[in-house]
Amino acid sequence: NAGVTQTPKFQVLKTGQSMTLQCAQDMNHNSMYWYRQDPGMGLRLIYYSASEGTTDKGEVPNGYNVSRLNKREFSLRLESAAPSQTSVYFCATTWYFPTGNYEQYFGPGTRLTVT
Amino acid sequence: SQQGEEDPQALSIQEGENATMNCSYKTSINNLQWYRQNSGRGLVHLILIRSNEREKHSGRLRVTLDTSKKSSSLLITASRAADTASYFCATDAENYGGSQGNLIFGKGTKLSVKP
Repeated sequence: NAGVTQTPKFQVLKTGQSMTLQCAQDMNHNSMYWYRQDPGMGLRLIYYSASEGTTDKGEVPNGYNVSRLNKREFSLRLESAAPSQTSVYFCATTWYFPTGNYEQYFGPGTRLTVT
Repeated sequence: SQQGEEDPQALSIQEGENATMNCSYKTSINNLQWYRQNSGRGLVHLILIRSNEREKHSGRLRVTLDTSKKSSSLLITASRAADTASYFCATDAENYGGSQGNLIFGKGTKLSVKP
């Protein structure tokens, strides 16, 4: 099992360009998330999807759109990239244990630079 | 809305010593989790402690939770060079994003264990 995969690993964009970050999971989890991590900061939630067909805004959604294509895939789109979107982007899923506990599984990240 | 704040921001110790990291948070929680992030990688779940628990152990990890002080600590005993990483606390602040499983991450403690 690959777990959570992200493509691309690295990307450089010019201001105003658009791109889509891809995330896929093979763990059959319902919930998926997109975070951004800036230097010296924790992770901030951009968007999440509690289940296939639903998406909701997180803490910092401006400038982004998402698509939950199916249960496996959750993509993040930057329509018009800005230097402030230079960051490392992480996709994650949540597994809920029968005990009620849960934990998140993270992809390896996409390092995006906008010049 | 940064919920968790880790302290210290950075910690440097010798192999074999214990490492203690603290986390403070602001609002009521159902649980608090600790994650590790190796340089350039995604986060990995370490341990979850529920709001009705005071202490939890997992191998060389010991987590305490004091809900009256809204704080938690992570103790790594007999540290190893391989423990070098950033450590983040995460809380499921009530109604954050309106969905169970959404987590708010702190800024992290960068631990360096020297051989």
